Amino acid sequence: SQQGEEDPQALSIQEGENATMNCSYKTSINNLQWYRQNSGRGLVHLILIRSNEREKHSGRLRVTLDTSKKSSSLLITASRAADTASYFCATDARVDMRFGAGTRLTVKP
Amino acid sequence: NAGVTQTPKFRVLKTGQSMTLLCAQDMNHEYMYWYRQDPGMGLRLIHYSVGEGTTAKGEVPDGYNVSRLKKQNFLLGLESAAPSQTSVYFCASSPWGSQYEQYFGPGTRLTVT
Repeated sequence: SQQGEEDPQALSIQEGENATMNCSYKTSINNLQWYRQNSGRGLVHLILIRSNEREKHSGRLRVTLDTSKKSSSLLITASRAADTASYFCATDARVDMRFGAGTRLTVKP
Repeated sequence: NAGVTQTPKFRVLKTGQSMTLLCAQDMNHEYMYWYRQDPGMGLRLIHYSVGEGTTAKGEVPDGYNVSRLKKQNFLLGLESAAPSQTSVYFCASSPWGSQYEQYFGPGTRLTVT
């Protein structure tokens, strides 16, 4: 069964705006990862945050993790049309990762 | 360095036919995974391998078999294809399990009629 659940399912914004996506999960984790998938392509890893970290940055990406609420958020600042993609959170489950259904982000130029 | 490659990219099968999907990675990763992706379902793990010669079942293993005879290759077999196996299949690899990022192949779109 899926571990992470992303919210919202779809998000449409204008170029230059910030995009925030949320992920909730059910069981304790060691780490949480975010991936991006462009249409018709494989997933690309964006960022990994460990359970003892609260916030992590990578370029225009900011990820937070609240283990008490079992939730994470991904913020993309100053979005670009090229950020249009689906974004997935994934939580560790022993040896593999469990992926949510994703948030479909559309950035309009 | 090609990363993770998958063969073929597209395939159409008739119900009952068999086929093998090939995944290859050139990063010397120990762990390899096969997922299927269906609309609105995210990725679901079919089978995985923690090293050459090993395989294990994931969430949705029924109807599929796998083999990892060489470290760089992970094969996914469908012995008797069913329309419910129509999906996009992704292979991934990682250095050492869920504490590391996974590297994904471009996917194989399979249609079973």
